[in-house]
Order: sequence, then C-alpha cells, then structure tokens
Amino acid sequence: AQSVAQPEDQVNVAEGNPLTVKCTYSVSGNPYLFWYVQYPNRGLQFLLKYITGDNLVKGSYGFEAEFNKSQTSFHLKKPSALVSDSALYFCAVRDTRYNKLIFGAGTRLAVHP
Amino acid sequence: ETGVTQTPRHLVMGMTNKKSLKCEQHLGHNAMYWYKQSAKKPLELMFVYNFKEQTENNSVPSRFSPECPNSSHLFLHLHTLQPEDSALYLCASSQVPSGRLGTDTQYFGPGTRLTVL
Repeated sequence: AQSVAQPEDQVNVAEGNPLTVKCTYSVSGNPYLFWYVQYPNRGLQFLLKYITGDNLVKGSYGFEAEFNKSQTSFHLKKPSALVSDSALYFCAVRDTRYNKLIFGAGTRLAVHP
Repeated sequence: ETGVTQTPRHLVMGMTNKKSLKCEQHLGHNAMYWYKQSAKKPLELMFVYNFKEQTENNSVPSRFSPECPNSSHLFLHLHTLQPEDSALYLCASSQVPSGRLGTDTQYFGPGTRLTVL
C-alpha cells in the first residue's frame, strides 16, 4: 500500500537558518510526490512536485525538495528560513491506481525571529 | 487565490439540519475532489469526480452526499450529521492528463469550517 511518513510533528528553526522538513514514502511503481503548505484558516497551497527527471525540484517561495530513491525520501528544504514560513507542511504521494493523494500527518514549522 | 472558491467559509449546524457546501473552480479542470481535515488526523479523501462522474467514494457515510452538476461546480450535501463530523472540508480540482495518471497537481480551496452541535 502507498504511504507517507512525516516523522516530526514540529520543527523549530531560527530565522535565517536553513530548514529541512522530512518525508519518507512507500509506493509500488513510480513515486509521484508533492509538498503542500497550509497557513492558519486556509486551504492547502501547492509548493512543488516530483514526477521524473532531476532529483532536486525547485518550487514556490524559495523551497526545494530532494528526491532520494535509495532512501525513499523527499525532504523539503530552504536555505534561509523566514518567520512567514511558519505553517503546517504536508507531504503527499499519489496512488495512481485510484487517482488520489495520500497525505502525511503534517509537520508544523515554527521559525523564530 | 488558487482559482478554487468554497462557500460558506464557516457553518454551524444542528444534527437534524440539512445544509450544502459549495465549491467552484475557475481553472478549467476536469476533476474535482472533497477532502476532510480533522484535528490530529491526516487529510482524508472523500469523493472524486472525473468529467462529472464519481470515480471514488472512500467509504463515506451516506449522510454525506456529493453532487457534480458540471465540471466547474461541486456540492457536498449534508444531513443528520454527527458531532464527530465537525472538521474542515476542503475542495480541490486538477487537470487529469490522458495517459499520465497521477502527475496532475491538485489545487485546493480555502475550506469550509463545519461545526456540528
């Protein structure tokens, strides 16, 4: 069965420092991986996705993610965190048998001034 | 912002009420989705519509009834709900390409915060 794990409930980072939000996945077949961000009282906003090609994917707001097939990981990264990056981040994998996204539990990112 | 709007944004209803959630997408997409987001639980897919036809029903109780009259509009009709149905209900849409199932990006609306008393 397809699944996604986000091992950290919360990540704390000082403003200006690099940030990493972790995601590991389990799929049969090709992995189609996504990252979304959710701000308070808002819907999910798409950040980036990996379908095929370059393992380093660049997305919105300066975020990027690295696909690592051997470690079955798709960690979200940003070189320099902003306080405004504080939000809930979701990793998701596509279950192509049923055309649905399977989401992780989410990681709350807190960036401190 | 994303081209997907949802109304109302907030809804409080009693267990015996009947209400409907509305979603509209302005992106020209061919698929629409309902998700449920409860506290401390991962997002749960409820229903999927491709080209106005329901293709997925994730064992959702019959007190939730979806309707997709055209490719731009999606409704979720609610009746005799339970307090545990209180959650954020998110609508999403995507353009499903032929031949590459799974590569499309889903765009979400802001959600309807539902409280069942």
